[in-house]
Amino acid sequence: DTEVTQTPKHLVMGMTNKKSLKCEQHMGHRAMYWYKQKAKKPPELMFVYSYEKLSINESVPSRFSPECPNSSLLNLHLHALQPEDSALYLCASSHGDRDTGELFFGEGSRLTVL
Amino acid sequence: GNSVTQMEGPVTLSEEAFLTINCTYTATGYPSLFWYVQYPGEGLQLLLKATKADDKGSNKGFEATYRKETTSFHLEKGSVQVSDSAVYFCALSDLEAGKSTFGDGTTLTVKP
Repeated sequence: DTEVTQTPKHLVMGMTNKKSLKCEQHMGHRAMYWYKQKAKKPPELMFVYSYEKLSINESVPSRFSPECPNSSLLNLHLHALQPEDSALYLCASSHGDRDTGELFFGEGSRLTVL
Repeated sequence: GNSVTQMEGPVTLSEEAFLTINCTYTATGYPSLFWYVQYPGEGLQLLLKATKADDKGSNKGFEATYRKETTSFHLEKGSVQVSDSAVYFCALSDLEAGKSTFGDGTTLTVKP
């Protein structure tokens, strides 16, 4: 099993809603990532979890709240988002040990904020 | 800090043409280098990688060689197909920092 699975694939939410994006991997990877990608741009790193602990927060606004319940799961909780937060949100994982840094990406959750 | 510079796109080629997408990098230490590909409506997937100088990564007819002396990792393919139409990202991995740096991406369109 070499997949990173993200749900939902599409999400539309209003600015007052609370929603969550979910990510799951069963490759035994110990590092997991959230990226934000705007159209025709490279992915921008948001958060990194290493061994289930938050290791990097790239100064992301607090309306995005990550959570890593266990080594296989990563959530991104969304609250009071703005229309400019509309983007493709990508989850990725990497080995974390004896690592080249190769990233394994999910297909993404496309978020639209109205 | 680290940086990756890719040739600007978009690139449009006819089927069976030769492809080169240039990539140069700036990094401290000895990063691993990657090419990721993103097909329309999908996430990124690894195309090939090289972890040390003079390594050649290859996959699906694509090749790139890690050139430390020129800090480059140019992507090449001898004969492109319509199905190669996608966005290609060059990237490096900084294990000490725990994160990757991506180039801006190059959109390739291959016409029949």
